[in-house]
Amino acid sequence: NAGVMQNPRHLVRRRGQEARLRCSPMKGHSHVYWYRQLPEEGLKFMVYLQKENIIDESGMPKERFSAEFPKEGPSILRIQQVVRGDSAAYFCASSREPGQRNTEAFFGQGTRLTVV
Amino acid sequence: DQQVKQNSPSLSVQEGRISILNCDYTNSMFDYFLWYKKYPAEGPTFLISISSIKDKNEDGRFTVFLNKSAKHLSLHIVPSQPGDSAVYFCAASDDNYGQNFVFGPGTRLSVLP
Repeated sequence: NAGVMQNPRHLVRRRGQEARLRCSPMKGHSHVYWYRQLPEEGLKFMVYLQKENIIDESGMPKERFSAEFPKEGPSILRIQQVVRGDSAAYFCASSREPGQRNTEAFFGQGTRLTVV
Repeated sequence: DQQVKQNSPSLSVQEGRISILNCDYTNSMFDYFLWYKKYPAEGPTFLISISSIKDKNEDGRFTVFLNKSAKHLSLHIVPSQPGDSAVYFCAASDDNYGQNFVFGPGTRLSVLP
């Protein structure tokens, strides 16, 4: 049973380009969370999605950031017109089926985005 | 406004001794707490958790203590091993908060041989 898979592991983008980060949750998991870790800081919640629905995006910057979790395929975190301040490690986590109290989230290895 | 605080950015402990990592929270609605360990270039991995109906949970060398009145929890590792050197994140959740976890900023533990 593969864990949470994120790709790419490392992504370099020039300022103004778009960054797309992918996350495939663990098998049987339908909750996906995205977190961002800035240098020397903890994990900051960005967005929580279920299949085809955004449940909580209170941690998402208002502009340039979007996320989706389509019926088929991985969850995508998209950052448009990247700036240097977007450089960070982005972690995806998944957890089990709806209706059950979430007691643990399993994390992927993260995507390290560097904006040059 | 940081709801989960880990006031020690780093901690050094001698191998074989006890490591105590502390975490404080401000939201009295939090009722479930977790500790995650993170090695460089890897994702966080779940370590141990505790529900607010308990004040202690033990798993091998790891014990988490919860003091609800003080809104404080701590992770004890005994005996500490060099492989325990990592960043430890405290996280909290609340049934009304949704399925989200709120993480503290982390404490970097170094276990010296």
